[in-house]
Amino acid sequence: ETGVTQTPRHLVMGMTNKKSLKCEQHLGHNAMYWYKQSAKKPLELMFVYSLEERVENNSVPSRFSPECPNSSHLFLHLHTLQPEDSALYLCASSQAWLRSTDTQYFGPGTRLTVL
Amino acid sequence: DQQVKQNSPSLSVQEGRISILNCDYTNSMFDYFLWYKKYPAEGPTFLISISSIKDKNEDGRFTVFLNKSAKHLSLHIVPSQPGDSAVYFCAATGAQKLVFGQGTRLTINP
Repeated sequence: ETGVTQTPRHLVMGMTNKKSLKCEQHLGHNAMYWYKQSAKKPLELMFVYSLEERVENNSVPSRFSPECPNSSHLFLHLHTLQPEDSALYLCASSQAWLRSTDTQYFGPGTRLTVL
Repeated sequence: DQQVKQNSPSLSVQEGRISILNCDYTNSMFDYFLWYKKYPAEGPTFLISISSIKDKNEDGRFTVFLNKSAKHLSLHIVPSQPGDSAVYFCAATGAQKLVFGQGTRLTINP
């Protein structure tokens, strides 16, 4: 299997639930990213991990908790979300962070609906 | 403060004609620019890029133009094909920042 995969593809959860999004990359990359895409808004960078260390946290609420156990896997743990958190959550990877010429490779995304 | 703007949310072009997608940026520290294409139910895929030291980069039917003085870039697709129908995002990087525009939905009509 190649590329960037994400599971689940669709998720519906209540505001009191706890769930996790999973991302896996098979490209040997050292940097992984979480993005949020809301309707009619730009892609918003949420978190960046480089060599399994968090290097960027763009003022994301604490109800989103990332985890990077190794360079191939990235999780986004969700708890007590709000309906406005409903969006498409995209994972991406690239060879290195802070090297602007690196292309990012995206997964297909998880469509999250918070009821 | 939206540092990368795609002012046209949608664009409709006839098959075989030229599609021109535009993108403006405000941060002069950006030095590398990318275009991504996104189909429904898929993640964005890289299309073409350009460094700030160039003003044009061409790859087959796709050409990106950069006007640094105007802080403007554009993507030209010629001839446009039905498979080009997608959402196109421009992105800018530099100074440890990576910023995407909000996307333009391109529809190619037969």
